[in-house]
Amino acid sequence: DADVTQTPRNRITKTGKRIMLECSQTKGHDRMYWYRQDPGLGLRLIYYSFDVKDINKGEISDGYSVSRQAQAKFSLSLESAIPNQTALYFCATRQGDETQYFGPGTRLLVL
Amino acid sequence: QKEVEQNSGPLSVPEGAIASLNCTYSDRVSQSFFWYRQYSGKSPELIMSIYSNGDKEDGRFTAQLNKASQYVSLLIRDSQPSDSATYLCAVRSGGYQKVTFGTGTKLQVIP
Repeated sequence: DADVTQTPRNRITKTGKRIMLECSQTKGHDRMYWYRQDPGLGLRLIYYSFDVKDINKGEISDGYSVSRQAQAKFSLSLESAIPNQTALYFCATRQGDETQYFGPGTRLLVL
Repeated sequence: QKEVEQNSGPLSVPEGAIASLNCTYSDRVSQSFFWYRQYSGKSPELIMSIYSNGDKEDGRFTAQLNKASQYVSLLIRDSQPSDSATYLCAVRSGGYQKVTFGTGTKLQVIP
């Protein structure tokens, strides 16, 4: 089984809908991250969490919210999706000074 | 100025040649440097990390770091078509160890 899983892998939704992207990890890492990737813009950090009680905004948090339900689970919500949130979304985990490990990604299309 | 800059490419090299990928960063107190490989539509995977000035070799890959020049590079010897991918440079710095990614260089290895 993969160490970092994301669901769904692909999602098509309409403008104004609320959607949730989920991330689970079996690595036992304390830190979890949500990134979005757009062509030409690279990976940009949306939110990150150092433990269940610690949630921090990244560089592009507007329009997004997160929930760290447990050490192993970190969910990203789009309260009212808009077309410019169409992107590839990655969850990542890290323990201390170790490197980051990425999930397989969720491809989101907002119509 | 972008925090981490890479030439977007594509960089085309013939099979068997050395591919040289470059990255510059703006934060002088950056501590850790990473190279990720990302195949189209897939998640980034770590291939090299480097923390001190000089060269670090791992198989066909060599990472080079020059903190005075704020420059990190990745050399791929005996390039193979399977090396064709986008290579992301990432830099970790700051009190909370923020990781910033470059936009990536697309490498094409021509058979």
